[in-house]
Amino acid sequence: DVKVTQSSRYLVKRTGEKVFLECVQDMDHENMFWYRQDPGLGLRLIYFSYDVKMKEKGDIPEGYSVSREKKERFSLILESASTNQTSMYLCASSVVNQPQHFGDGTRLSIL
Amino acid sequence: GQQLNQSPQSMFIQEGEDVSMNCTSSSIFNTWLWYKQDPGEGPVLLIALYKAGELTSNGRLTAQFGITRKDSFLNISASIPSDVGIYFCAGISGGSNYKLTFGKGTLLTVNP
Repeated sequence: DVKVTQSSRYLVKRTGEKVFLECVQDMDHENMFWYRQDPGLGLRLIYFSYDVKMKEKGDIPEGYSVSREKKERFSLILESASTNQTSMYLCASSVVNQPQHFGDGTRLSIL
Repeated sequence: GQQLNQSPQSMFIQEGEDVSMNCTSSSIFNTWLWYKQDPGEGPVLLIALYKAGELTSNGRLTAQFGITRKDSFLNISASIPSDVGIYFCAGISGGSNYKLTFGKGTLLTVNP
């Protein structure tokens, strides 16, 4: 089974802090993704990566950056956290043209 | 951009009843997926459909890839309390090898 592991299930940070969310997958998948999920808005793609050191913006990249230094790890960075970034963050991975597999999510609160 | 219209938004049913939900799109998709998300968890893949007309089962779940490639449905037979959760459809289009388009989800509540 594919295992996508997100480093934290719950996280509380303060406005203005730099926040790192980490994701690791164990199936040698080329593609990795970061989403945020908000009530009524569904899942929205923030960034994705199709190879090491490669990244592309998703639908809502503003206020976020990503890093993929190794194939198995994809990090989401909130450069200066704001309250409107309070959300559920989901990481996923896949091979080309195959379904994405999700982690359990990180519920992030920005105070 | 592409959108998936998923219905119904929510359902309240009695244990033992059958459930049906569907997704439609104005665009063609090459792959249709159905996920379930339990409260506080990430989505889990239930069924993947790769071919127009394909009908696939996974236990009490059955899903079909519409012949026009613009729709899909998911049926759950003889529902049980642990079926509670949010069910999402998602599609992969031919122009993308990675990007999923998601429906907004169907919230299912099963009364014992």
